[in-house]
Amino acid sequence: AQSVSQHNHHVILSEAASLELGCNYSYGGTVNLFWYVQYPGQHLQLLLKYFSGDPLVKGIKGFEAEFIKSKFSFNLRKPSVQWSDTAEYFCAVRIYNQGGKLIFGQGTELSVKP
Amino acid sequence: DGGITQSPKYLFRKEGQNVTLSCEQNLNHDAMYWYRQDPGQGLRLIYYSQIVNDFQKGDIAEGYSVSREKKESFPLTVTSAQKNPTAFYLCASRPGLAGINNEQFFGPGTRLTVL
Repeated sequence: AQSVSQHNHHVILSEAASLELGCNYSYGGTVNLFWYVQYPGQHLQLLLKYFSGDPLVKGIKGFEAEFIKSKFSFNLRKPSVQWSDTAEYFCAVRIYNQGGKLIFGQGTELSVKP
Repeated sequence: DGGITQSPKYLFRKEGQNVTLSCEQNLNHDAMYWYRQDPGQGLRLIYYSQIVNDFQKGDIAEGYSVSREKKESFPLTVTSAQKNPTAFYLCASRPGLAGINNEQFFGPGTRLTVL
């Protein structure tokens, strides 16, 4: 069965530290990849997405992610986190031609200390 | 103001009662989805619909039912057969077949507590 795995359940960083959240998926065919963020009390919203082309994609608020096909990975990065980045982050995969449904990872809760 | 609305935000029900969660969108999206969010498990797909009057089971459909009589509405019923219904329920929509490279947009969610 297809699955998505996020390596860290809870990450605690100080402001200005660099961030990397791991995401791996298990499917050998064509996929679209997404990172969503859920700030406390807010809607789940899209951070960035990868469909094709340049494997390094940039999203909102200074986030970026790199798709490495050989490693089935789509890790999220930010060079310098801010207190306002405190949120839960979800990696998701969409399998081509399966109704557009998303398969989500377990989520990573990020806490940034001021 | 376009978007997805879910009501109510908080819902309490007694064990054994069916309850229906509302999801409405005015984005003219073809596809709609229901997910369940539990701590440490991410979001899991319950049901989805790509077009009016058609829907498919997701990964955890047991104990749930849906209907799609109108393009803008996709209500979810949590039945008494659902063993552990207390959760946060998220509705999403997507433009659908017309746009392959598009993403899902999410509503604010309904937190259901079964007492």
